[in-house]
Amino acid sequence: AQKVTQAQTEISVVEKEDVTLDCVYETRDTTYYLFWYKQPPSGELVFLIRRNSFDEQNEISGRYSWNFQKSTSSFNFTITASQVVDSAVYFCALSEMEYGNKLVFGAGTILRVKS
Amino acid sequence: DVKVTQSSRYLVKRTGEKVFLECVQDMDHENMFWYRQDPGLGLRLIYFSYDVKMKEKGDIPEGYSVSREKKERFSLILESASTNQTSMYLCASSFPPTGVRGETQYFGPGTRLLVL
Repeated sequence: AQKVTQAQTEISVVEKEDVTLDCVYETRDTTYYLFWYKQPPSGELVFLIRRNSFDEQNEISGRYSWNFQKSTSSFNFTITASQVVDSAVYFCALSEMEYGNKLVFGAGTILRVKS
Repeated sequence: DVKVTQSSRYLVKRTGEKVFLECVQDMDHENMFWYRQDPGLGLRLIYFSYDVKMKEKGDIPEGYSVSREKKERFSLILESASTNQTSMYLCASSFPPTGVRGETQYFGPGTRLLVL
């Protein structure tokens, strides 16, 4: 079974719309870490956020916000007032204590923001 | 600032050739990783290394080998390239050493490899 599921393959929005990217994970560990990365057309993965399993507080960073809910095993990412520069592939990833520092990635969500 | 570099952005090779992909990080990180990225599959771990001369298989090591002779450099080797190894290859590094979990991995720009 997939450990990290990003069910949305591709999303298209118009600039200034809000958009939420879904991430559902599966783990038996009580200690784990969740990540979001952005991959713009240039190809390099850019780190956005890291969250450990004991910290369920939502986080906001400018137009970005993350909603971590252990009850539903989800770690969703919302972009408020989207911009064309937000167009990229976004990956959610899981690191489990049992598997050391290895990351398991979701398939990614392609976000297209049109002007 | 975090810096991971990869020797080539684009590479075209013939079936059966030996291919070397180089990755260098300047952050004194102990951990280094090689992934391949394919549409619809996300990133999959090929090999990783927690220290010089040390390597461990990831999820898809078949057809690949690695070398880590110096802390800052981690090479991925395709012994005999095949068309199904056409992909995007991404290198990453992280700190600290083994025993601490969940540290952030920092990625290089990737190498797009085409095997004809």
